[in-house]
Amino acid sequence: AQSVTQLGSHVSVSEGALVLLRCNYSSSVPPYLFWYVQYPNQGLQLLLKYTSAATLVKGINGFEAEFKKSETSFHLTKPSAHMSDAAEYFCAVSDEGYSTLTFGKGTMLLVSP
Amino acid sequence: DAGITQSPRHKVTETGTPVTLRCHQTENHRYMYWYRQDPGHGLRLIHYSYGVKDTDKGEVSDGYSVSRSKTEDFLLTLESATSSQTSVYFCAISADRQNTEAFFGQGTRLTVV
Repeated sequence: AQSVTQLGSHVSVSEGALVLLRCNYSSSVPPYLFWYVQYPNQGLQLLLKYTSAATLVKGINGFEAEFKKSETSFHLTKPSAHMSDAAEYFCAVSDEGYSTLTFGKGTMLLVSP
Repeated sequence: DAGITQSPRHKVTETGTPVTLRCHQTENHRYMYWYRQDPGHGLRLIHYSYGVKDTDKGEVSDGYSVSRSKTEDFLLTLESATSSQTSVYFCAISADRQNTEAFFGQGTRLTVV
């Protein structure tokens, strides 16, 4: 079975600071991994994805994530936070054995001036 | 933006009444999904479809049914709405079973009173 754990339901950073959102997964086979962002009252938008190519994945809005198999992690980072990054972020996993995405519970990113 | 439309966007209904939510896509994608989003739970899969008339249950399918008679439409029905089904419902579509490029609708906010 697949599962996703996002550490921290809320993360607060100052504008210009490093953003680090943590995601750990479990999967019995090589996974596909995703980060989605949700702005208030909107649907989810794909930020980036890992599909067994390069382990360092770059996404939209300056975000990137690194797949680390030994740590079963796929943490999301951005060097310098912007006020517009304030949103909820979801990590998700899929793999060859499933036709569905399994989501983490989400992390709300708060950015202060 | 991917062509995916949910209707209605907001609905208030009384306990015990049937409710149908509609998801319409113009992308001709094979896979369609219904999720519910609740605080502290992230997104949880209700039902999904892998083709016309082909559907399967997700993690939280009790109290819900679905139908897909055409590629473009995926209906979610609450046979007898309960207060525990108050939630935000999202439809998603994907061209492949691994969801390497899944697109989400804007959501339907359902309140059961």
